[in-house]
This record gives sequence, structure tokens and C-alpha cells, in this order.
Amino acid sequence: LAKTTQPISMDSYEGQEVNITCSHNNIATNDYITWYQQFPSQGPRFIIQGYKTKVTNEVASLFIPADRKSSTLSLPRVSLSDTAVYYCLVAGGYNKLIFGAGTRLAVHP
Amino acid sequence: DTGVSQDPRHKITKRGQNVTFRCDPISEHNRLYWYRQTLGQGPEFLTYFQNEAQLEKSRLLSDRFSAERPKGSFSTLEIQRTEQGDSAMYLCASTPETSQETQYFGPGTRLLVL
Repeated sequence: LAKTTQPISMDSYEGQEVNITCSHNNIATNDYITWYQQFPSQGPRFIIQGYKTKVTNEVASLFIPADRKSSTLSLPRVSLSDTAVYYCLVAGGYNKLIFGAGTRLAVHP
Repeated sequence: DTGVSQDPRHKITKRGQNVTFRCDPISEHNRLYWYRQTLGQGPEFLTYFQNEAQLEKSRLLSDRFSAERPKGSFSTLEIQRTEQGDSAMYLCASTPETSQETQYFGPGTRLLVL
């Protein structure tokens, strides 16, 4: 399974756009890129998933360049409630998910 | 609520005791996963089932751990002779057959072994 690298932590302020970039240099052809959000004492929550180009939903956007060796999760106009750990994962099929330590996002007033 | 549910949400036990956790996946999800998460770390895979068949087990799943999914619906995870190192959040997730990789997680069971 491909490994991912993402920043350990990030800080932002309410109303700003936050971009979290993840590197996955060894991504395989059939791997999808998935992002999860986790609040303290809760299970991870699916945010967005993509294979290539751009994906957008009501929560976030996911940008994937043509070589797919990285991806960027974009959170528009963050609020205090977006303070959480964000995990980037790559895997294909119904495989187990391999989580890294994630990115701890702190949103300040 | 039709999400993944786990019971109990919290468990405190003494070292050496046995504990059992239950997971009820989203209805009709045929794949069910167990993960363990310690403080400051991401979840680590333990095992998964497709229907009632246990298809993969992690090396983290020592002989003291056993998981079952007897009827392909709910699953149980038992830890025998608990140790302090077993203290963690135990997470369950399920996947619909039509999804490529979207696993839906439950709220977890937090275990504290004294």
C-alpha cells in the first residue's frame, strides 16, 4: 500500500481557506485518494475521495495533478468546528486503510 | 441513526480480565473492519470480514484477540487477559459493496486497562 506524507500540523483563522497537501509518490494505478476527518474521541469521518483531476462536494475540494503523486485537500472558509485531524490515504479495492499520523488543523478565532 | 454503532462506548477493566466489544455495521454492508487507535496516532488495522469470513488479520492481533462475525451482520472483538498496553480506542468500520474505498466508522470503544 502506498505511503503518504502530510504536514504534522497547520494553523489557520476563521474564514480562511485551508489547503493541506499530501504526497504519495508510489501511488498505484488502481489506487484512489481518500481524506478523512477525525474529532477527539470520535471515529474518522469520510470527507472526499478522488482518482484524478478535481472533485468537489459540499464540504471540500480535492485537487489531484496529472501524475497523481500528490493531492491537496481544500477547505473553504474554515470555522472553529473544522479543528480536527485530517488523514490522507491511498488504497485500491476493498483493502484495509493505512493511516499515518495525519495533519492536526487548528482554527483560531 | 443508521450509521455504524459500537457498544460499549467506554470500558474500564483491570489487567487480566476479558473484555468484549460489539460492532453493528451499516445495514447491508458486507465488509467490516476493526482498527485500534492510540493517543496521537492514526488508526491501525486489526482485521476485516467479508460477510462472516475473516479474510485478513494484522500481526497486531495477538493470540489474546479474537474477532467474530457469525451471521455476517454484527461483529464482536474479544480481548482475553487484558494488558495495560491494550488501552486504546477500538474502531469499527464498514464498507458497502458499491464503494471503492469509503469506509464508514463507528464512534469507537475506548478501553482503559488498569
